[in-house]
Amino acid sequence: ETGVTQSPTHLIKTRGQQVTLRCSSQSGHNTVSWYQQALGQGPQFIFQYYREEENGRGNFPPRFSGLQFPNYSSELNVNALELDDSALYLCASKQGLNTGELFFGEGSRLTVL
Amino acid sequence: SQQGEEDPQALSIQEGENATMNCSYKTSINNLQWYRQNSGRGLVHLILIRSNEREKHSGRLRVTLDTSKKSSSLLITASRAADTASYFCATDARNSGGSNYKLTFGKGTLLTVNP
Repeated sequence: ETGVTQSPTHLIKTRGQQVTLRCSSQSGHNTVSWYQQALGQGPQFIFQYYREEENGRGNFPPRFSGLQFPNYSSELNVNALELDDSALYLCASKQGLNTGELFFGEGSRLTVL
Repeated sequence: SQQGEEDPQALSIQEGENATMNCSYKTSINNLQWYRQNSGRGLVHLILIRSNEREKHSGRLRVTLDTSKKSSSLLITASRAADTASYFCATDARNSGGSNYKLTFGKGTLLTVNP
């Protein structure tokens, strides 16, 4: 167990809907990053938040947005869902910006119908 | 885009045998990490090797890094059925400001250890 918790664990949405996924970082960690993992693929970096500000972004459209709160928990929001958004969404936390080990949650499995 | 590419894509061995997985990457790195993922679960960090290191050990794991060939290998010795999982290599990436901010993962190797 890493201490990173994500909710919900599973959810089903239809095309065009919006979804919010939540993540609580491990105690003492102020950096949270989000990854999308399609079936059979490796995780793809979506973005990272450090001390409540977006600190880096991968190749994802603006309908993927996020927030980080003062307690360093985070949200991932996806608008106008598409079928290809079906994936496992992983949250990971660490302390600071230096490169190093990421602590992952168990993920939120999103299915878009 | 995927920075690392693991080889083989799938590997099936018997308990007690050694398992070797390889990873190739394209750009300069600060470090390379290996993660493990049980089916549909979160990733678990196994080991980190810095660009100025050539070999590192952790329990039954041995990682090598060859920066001239842009490649790494993960060796699991005396494998167990519980080692069955997907294994990913991940490389860091510096943004234009020079601070490392993301890991880039390969597609992974699915290891099956048969009892």
